[in-house]
Amino acid sequence: GQQLNQSPQSMFIQEGEDVSMNCTSSSIFNTWLWYKQDPGEGPVLLIALYKAGELTSNGRLTAQFGITRKDSFLNISASIPSDVGIYFCAGLDQGGKLIFGQGTELSVKP
Amino acid sequence: DGGITQSPKYLFRKEGQNVTLSCEQNLNHDAMYWYRQDPGQGLRLIYYSQIVNDFQKGDIAEGYSVSREKKESFPLTVTSAQKNPTAFYLCASSTTGDDYNEQFFGPGTRLTVL
Repeated sequence: GQQLNQSPQSMFIQEGEDVSMNCTSSSIFNTWLWYKQDPGEGPVLLIALYKAGELTSNGRLTAQFGITRKDSFLNISASIPSDVGIYFCAGLDQGGKLIFGQGTELSVKP
Repeated sequence: DGGITQSPKYLFRKEGQNVTLSCEQNLNHDAMYWYRQDPGQGLRLIYYSQIVNDFQKGDIAEGYSVSREKKESFPLTVTSAQKNPTAFYLCASSTTGDDYNEQFFGPGTRLTVL
């Protein structure tokens, strides 16, 4: 089946640092999504990308839909302790199904 | 407040028993979904339903069953046939009809089989 490779698997950073994570796929996706999941909770949508090459920001978060439609990245600038959590990318395939990456676990040291 | 509720938050079950996880939404969404989450893995789709009285298998439906008798409710039964049921289960819902319909997630149920 379709798979998304998300990296890195985990990150340990100092408060104030910038963070970058990405997802790649062997398949083309029509939509890329980035979610954040706090421990013991459901994922919450952060950013949705609908067109190849699109660059979208949401506060300190910036995400891009790759030109090839097979990749996407998420940047977080000036990280703060509440950024801690697991970040998931997800791609919407041609059949309308969401395919999730394995997640990037972010830890922020104050 | 509108949203998705899942109950219970934590569930313990003895091996060989069936157990049903509840999912209710008051967002008036047509579509509902069940996902399974294991440590270090992304969410995997178990079942989904786009309309009342209709549902389809996802990628890992074996050992699970669902029903959709009401628009607001989409319970998931984990049967004794599911070989490795210990996991975090997430329910989601969305509207239908557009190219992309955002899925809103519930808080999850953590099932542990003893």
